[in-house]
Amino acid sequence: KQEVTQIPAALSVPEGENLVLNCSFTDSAIYNLQWFRQDPGKGLTSLLLIQSSQREQTSGRLNASLDKSSGRSTLYIAASQPGDSATYLCAVRGNYGQNFVFGPGTRLSVLP
Amino acid sequence: EAGVAQSPRYKIIEKRQSVAFWCNPISGHATLYWYQQILGQGPKLLIQFQNNGVVDDSQLPKDRFSAERLKGVDSTLKIQPAKLEDSAVYLCASSSPSDLQGELFFGEGSRLTVL
Repeated sequence: KQEVTQIPAALSVPEGENLVLNCSFTDSAIYNLQWFRQDPGKGLTSLLLIQSSQREQTSGRLNASLDKSSGRSTLYIAASQPGDSATYLCAVRGNYGQNFVFGPGTRLSVLP
Repeated sequence: EAGVAQSPRYKIIEKRQSVAFWCNPISGHATLYWYQQILGQGPKLLIQFQNNGVVDDSQLPKDRFSAERLKGVDSTLKIQPAKLEDSAVYLCASSSPSDLQGELFFGEGSRLTVL
């Protein structure tokens, strides 16, 4: 059974810093991995989706990498801004038609 | 393109009462999901529909939860009777089967408080 963890649970950084959020999964037989952002009281907004055959995906200041063999993905945020403050969740979909399994999220605070 | 629509946004009920949530997915998305998100946790899948058929309801507490998608478009999730532990955000998501990546798109969620 796939399990997804995200460390740290919370992170606080000053504005302008580059930062890395981590996502780990136990079963490497994945189809793809999706990173989401969730603002308080809101739904999830898709940030990046990375296929199992890809090593990384980029969108603006965001870069997601995937290392299937080690069961890890990282989300890199460059030049962080206060508007980046939110909870970031990763979700993993298995190879055999399984649905996404979500991590608990990392709550990010970017201080002005 | 309109996103996933959900209502109501907030609902407060007493235990043993019933509640219903509504979802309208992105136009053309045949796959619809209901997730439960308890505070501080990631979303947990309750049920997945493909058109009007159920694909996965293995984690749906069927003694109190029910869901339908009669015409293969919008969907309703019902809880009856509600328990205190049902307090959570109920998220609806959709995806298109023609999208081989299977990217998920979420609505704003319906926050349920059971007193």
